[in-house]
Amino acid sequence: GAVVSQHPSRVICKSGTSVKIECRSLDFQATTMFWYRQFPKKSLMLMATSNEGSKATYEQGVEKDKFLINHASLTLSTLTVTSAHPEDSSFYICSAIRGYGGYTFGSGTRLTVV
Amino acid sequence: QKEVEQNSGPLSVPEGAIASLNCTYSDRGSQSFFWYRQYSGKSPELIMSIYSNGDKEDGRFTAQLNKASQYVSLLIRDSQPSDSATYLCAVISNNNDMRFGAGTRLTVKP
Repeated sequence: GAVVSQHPSRVICKSGTSVKIECRSLDFQATTMFWYRQFPKKSLMLMATSNEGSKATYEQGVEKDKFLINHASLTLSTLTVTSAHPEDSSFYICSAIRGYGGYTFGSGTRLTVV
Repeated sequence: QKEVEQNSGPLSVPEGAIASLNCTYSDRGSQSFFWYRQYSGKSPELIMSIYSNGDKEDGRFTAQLNKASQYVSLLIRDSQPSDSATYLCAVISNNNDMRFGAGTRLTVKP
């Protein structure tokens, strides 16, 4: 079945540093990927839609300069949290659309900024 | 108005009972609807998808969709303690992105 690999699964970084999260579709090409953020006991909030070869579309209230998204190939999208602060600590999840329209989620990345 | 609304619960049912989870959505043009189960600290896993009005059954799970009322539900029959999780309603909007409800926390008591 379709698999989306997300890495790292867990990261702790110091305040002010940047963190890159990778999302790879392993056995299918994903022209569109989505990035979500989830705070404890809250639902998944869509941050941005990542389109291969073009700029990402960000949801209202999401800072594009802080959350840099790159989708340079059909199998890889990256989310970079720049100058991370403790309030950026969250669970970040990517998903990709498979050819027939189904969605597959990555395993998520737990980011802790100290 | 939130795009996808769910009762956050918590919903508690005894083992063997039917658990009923409800969801409403605001985008009348939505065509695809999903129920995901999420355990704490894990990614959501797909339980059911439904695209047409009516009922869709898969094992102990039944999804119900009423587009006129903009309402989708999930019934879990013969609930088991292992069903205890947060259930997320998701809707694909006209932009082709997936929007989630806040989730309903279900506890099945042995």
